[in-house]
Parts: sequence; structure tokens; C-alpha cells
Amino acid sequence: EVQLVESGGGLVQPGGSLKLSCVASGFTFSASVMHWVRQAPGKGLEWVGRVRNKANSYATTYAASVKGRITISREDSKNTAYLEMNSLKTEDTAVYYCTYIPPGYWYFDLWGRGTLITVSS
Amino acid sequence: QSALTQPASVSGSPGQSITISCTGTSSDVGGYRYISWYQHHPGKAPRLMIYDVSNRPSGVSNRFSGSKSGNTASLTISGLQAEDEADYYCSSYTSSTTWVFGGGTKLTVL
Repeated sequence: EVQLVESGGGLVQPGGSLKLSCVASGFTFSASVMHWVRQAPGKGLEWVGRVRNKANSYATTYAASVKGRITISREDSKNTAYLEMNSLKTEDTAVYYCTYIPPGYWYFDLWGRGTLITVSS
Repeated sequence: QSALTQPASVSGSPGQSITISCTGTSSDVGGYRYISWYQHHPGKAPRLMIYDVSNRPSGVSNRFSGSKSGNTASLTISGLQAEDEADYYCSSYTSSTTWVFGGGTKLTVL
């Protein structure tokens, strides 16, 4: 079955850190570009960032709103992508979705169901 | 990068057609054909409905169609059905090598 499953969300205090995982199955993970997208309560989708594949040196690109506070990485041997967030702010409270773009394309082909990060004291 | 502009809500009766617009700039919507649309039922994973402006993935009803003119893309749903009620988001690749989403449109089937 083709799917993405996120985990690692939870309650964290402002200024804290958290690392999310996204396990993929059913497609060629190593060739795909992995992205993270978030949705704050009552808000729309917001692109967070991506990690490209080995052929593109695992290059990363981040949204300006989170740049400097996040790291997206991947472990192809485990079909897993990661989103590490530091210096968390209350405005980072959101459901975080893992999604991917197949090689040679530009659309988000499949999404996970998301994992919730709540930043609150 | 500012979010693409979508109407907050649209509505229609079963069997009718509706169109959702998505307005950006020449640095995103106007500059690329990499426009996609997603259907999102709250609590579920978003679903790809249209890619590259007007292409439908396999499994998506031909009642869904997309187009683009200048800096504005559009999603049209014909023959509205109750199951179409959801939030819809457009997305575009940008000249900054990032992606941007629209603010989302809530579709209500009356």
C-alpha cells in the first residue's frame, strides 16, 4: 500500500525542540523529493520545506517563516524523512503533513494524515 | 512569499457547477504550469485533484477540471455532489524554488 505515516508530534514548551518522522511505503522513496507542509488551527496549508534525493545531493530548501529553526533530512535505508524544529514558537502550533513529489514532477502526489505539534506553556 | 489568493468560501446546489479561483503573481502562478489543486476533508490527508494546471490523476472524476489565464488559475467542479464538500487548496511552484499554497476555499454543497 502506498502511504506516508507521520509521528513524533506532541506538546512542547515555547523555545523547545521536536523531531518528526515520516515513514514511506509503496513507492520509490529514494528517488522522491520529500516535503513537509503544515496547517495551523483554522488556517490554510503552508509549505515548510523539502529535502531532495541523493542525485541532487540531498539539498534542502525552507520557507522563510521557519528558515534557521528547522532541519529536514532523510534516511533512505529506512524510507524515512525527518523534520527537526528548534526554538519553537506558539505560532508553530499546527498539524504537520509529510508529502512527496515524484521525480520529474512538481505536485504533491500523496500525503500523510499529519501529526499535531502544540507549542504551549 | 505571500499565499495565493482564493475565495474563502463558495457554494452550489447538487448538479450545479462552481469555480474556485487562485490568484498569484508572475513569480508563481503566472510563471509556471506547475499549478496543482488539493481536496482536504478535515482530519484526513489532502488529496491531489489536478496537477500541471489541468491534468487529472487517475481515479479523480472528470467532473474536476483546471485552467489558467495569466496570474490566475481556476478549478471547476461540475455536477456537484454532496461528497465534494471539502476545503480546496491551490498550489504553485515559485521562482524562489519554493512552493506556495492558496488560503483555501470551503466548498459547501447546499
